[in-house]
Amino acid sequence: GAVVSQHPSWVICKSGTSVKIECRSLDFQATTMFWYRQFPKQSLMLMATSNEGSKATYEQGVEKDKFLINHASLTLSTLTVTSAHPEDSSFYICSASPSGYEQFFGPGTRLTVL
Amino acid sequence: KNEVEQSPQNLTAQEGEFITINCSYSVGISALHWLQQHPGGGIVSLFMLSSGKKKHGRLIATINIQEKHSSLHITASHPRDSAVYICAVDDQGAQKLVFGQGTRLTINP
Repeated sequence: GAVVSQHPSWVICKSGTSVKIECRSLDFQATTMFWYRQFPKQSLMLMATSNEGSKATYEQGVEKDKFLINHASLTLSTLTVTSAHPEDSSFYICSASPSGYEQFFGPGTRLTVL
Repeated sequence: KNEVEQSPQNLTAQEGEFITINCSYSVGISALHWLQQHPGGGIVSLFMLSSGKKKHGRLIATINIQEKHSSLHITASHPRDSAVYICAVDDQGAQKLVFGQGTRLTINP
């Protein structure tokens, strides 16, 4: 149980385009979902926290107009990287929590912006 | 100083050796997580601890709340255990996970 999926697992896009990443909790309802970013050989950095039906809370330094997060249902959250640039190339990981306490991690999405 | 410190940063051992990875933290926590990240990048949650000790197969995790320290042990290590092991704490004050920098473990056959 407690499986979280992400789609796509990897994506390559041109600079200036937008990319949407989906995070789904497959066998539980996630009241809270988290989006993380990880640059090579660095720790995960929390980008934002989203609760179903409400606006996401972004961490300091994360542009909310660039990284659009939608948590429309208890099993799905999406992260859209708008007008992507090469510096947005990173590994994006979501996690989902049924209770706000324990987190279950998705497999991650590797984004490469050319 | 980081709120979560792991040691060692890199560890190479021979198959069969007993492995210990340490994690120290400086904030008040509600729980501590041990995560495993394989070269492909996917993260697996190994343990969530708030006290005492947990065991799952060859993996053992312990936590000492008073000393603000946790250890992850791997018995009879195997090359497939090669991965980055990450300690993360639920920071009570910030209400978010704070991650250690990870320990890169390599088990040679």
